[in-house]
Amino acid sequence: EAQVTQNPRYLITVTGKKLTVTCSQNMNHEYMSWYRQDPGLGLRQIYYSMNVEVTDKGDVPEGYKVSRKEKRNFPLILESPSPNQTSLYFCASSLSNRGGYGYTFGSGTRLTVV
Amino acid sequence: AQKVTQAQTEISVVEKEDVTLDCVYETRDTTYYLFWYKQPPSGELVFLIRRNSFDEQNEISGRYSWNFQKSTSSFNFTITASQVVDSAVYFCALSEASGGADGLTFGKGTHLIIQP
Repeated sequence: EAQVTQNPRYLITVTGKKLTVTCSQNMNHEYMSWYRQDPGLGLRQIYYSMNVEVTDKGDVPEGYKVSRKEKRNFPLILESPSPNQTSLYFCASSLSNRGGYGYTFGSGTRLTVV
Repeated sequence: AQKVTQAQTEISVVEKEDVTLDCVYETRDTTYYLFWYKQPPSGELVFLIRRNSFDEQNEISGRYSWNFQKSTSSFNFTITASQVVDSAVYFCALSEASGGADGLTFGKGTHLIIQP
């Protein structure tokens, strides 16, 4: 089944403790992206990647890192999480960000930083 | 830069009423794509529809219909005879064919509450 798999689904952590949210897709998609969703703000893009070893900042990249060493994986890294990073995170992939290709979303990761 | 505006933060209606969710967009591209997603209380994003800028035909799928008007840069979503299961947050989104680095740009969402 074609899908984007995010792990974990839920995570509670403490301020400053490094964490990684994994994202993997099995559709051979070139484009991958991370979003965060906050009440009243909708979904905002954190980072995106147009292909292996190509990543760039989205609208809200501060406090996050990503890597794209393989086509299928696009982990989101919080080196020193803070409470303002408490949010619902979504990973998405698409064949390309050019044209009207559909986007497949993961099930989301609900992160709480205390 | 592309932008999507959903002016209605929250809408509450009684079951069986019709309801329209508004979406207004901005883009400089002549070729672009518009999407609607549903986010039920469980949190996942459910794809509803994708429409390209050259296809202005309205679309109907069961109780759902979409009205795309390029003249007013709007892509509105109507639910006919609403049901409690339609309660969710609905997002409108835009993607430009030129492949703007933004990828998919979302509106802030409309929280739809259907009361029994």
